[in-house]
Amino acid sequence: DIQMTQSPSSLSASVGDRISITCRASQSISSHLNWYQQKPGKAPEVLIYTASNLQSGVPSRFSGSGSGTDFTLTISNLQPEDFATYYCQQSYSTPPITFGQGTRLEIQ
Amino acid sequence: QVQLVESGGGVVQPGRSLRLSCAASGFTFRNYAMHWVRQAPGKGPEWVAVISYDGRNQYYADSVKGRFTISRDNSKNTLYLEMNNLRTEDTAMYYCARHRGAELLSGSWFDPWGQGILVTVSS
Repeated sequence: DIQMTQSPSSLSASVGDRISITCRASQSISSHLNWYQQKPGKAPEVLIYTASNLQSGVPSRFSGSGSGTDFTLTISNLQPEDFATYYCQQSYSTPPITFGQGTRLEIQ
Repeated sequence: QVQLVESGGGVVQPGRSLRLSCAASGFTFRNYAMHWVRQAPGKGPEWVAVISYDGRNQYYADSVKGRFTISRDNSKNTLYLEMNNLRTEDTAMYYCARHRGAELLSGSWFDPWGQGILVTVSS
């Protein structure tokens, strides 16, 4: 199975900051990498699909990049509603589809 | 709007069975593959199973293979997960999710997800 490792596991930032979260795959997954946001008590929601495509309705301050084994989710100009947990997910070598362990973004 | 609503969860003893349902609305259900994804308390999501749009193909995570069965009734716009021989490690929030992407597994993502239903396996 392909293992997905996110870093950092948690991150403190302030409104208006620019932050990046990294996801590393245990082997190349081409561009088959997606990013989700999850708020407490809610289901995850897709932000970015296929590494860099912004899901409809998601603010443009969210962006994704990378291919192969290393991927990055960047959030510019952090807003209060962005403080949540973020997960990456691969679907290259399947089954199984696998997720990262998550990055918790907290208000500083 | 697209909506997925899970039901059928609850508390069950180890070794027992449970069937989850997911009622879909707001889109042409029969045109989409569907997934079950679960999330144990405090953990990241774990993909469980997928079924093709016509029900002919199913794939499972190794952790549930042979114990869980995914199925669908396109006439009722409903997805199911039959869970047998439940273990304490199956305790989780279970989500149904609509498949996105060209192929059944490779290159796929989930959008949207239901609100989830809690399954607790405990004696």
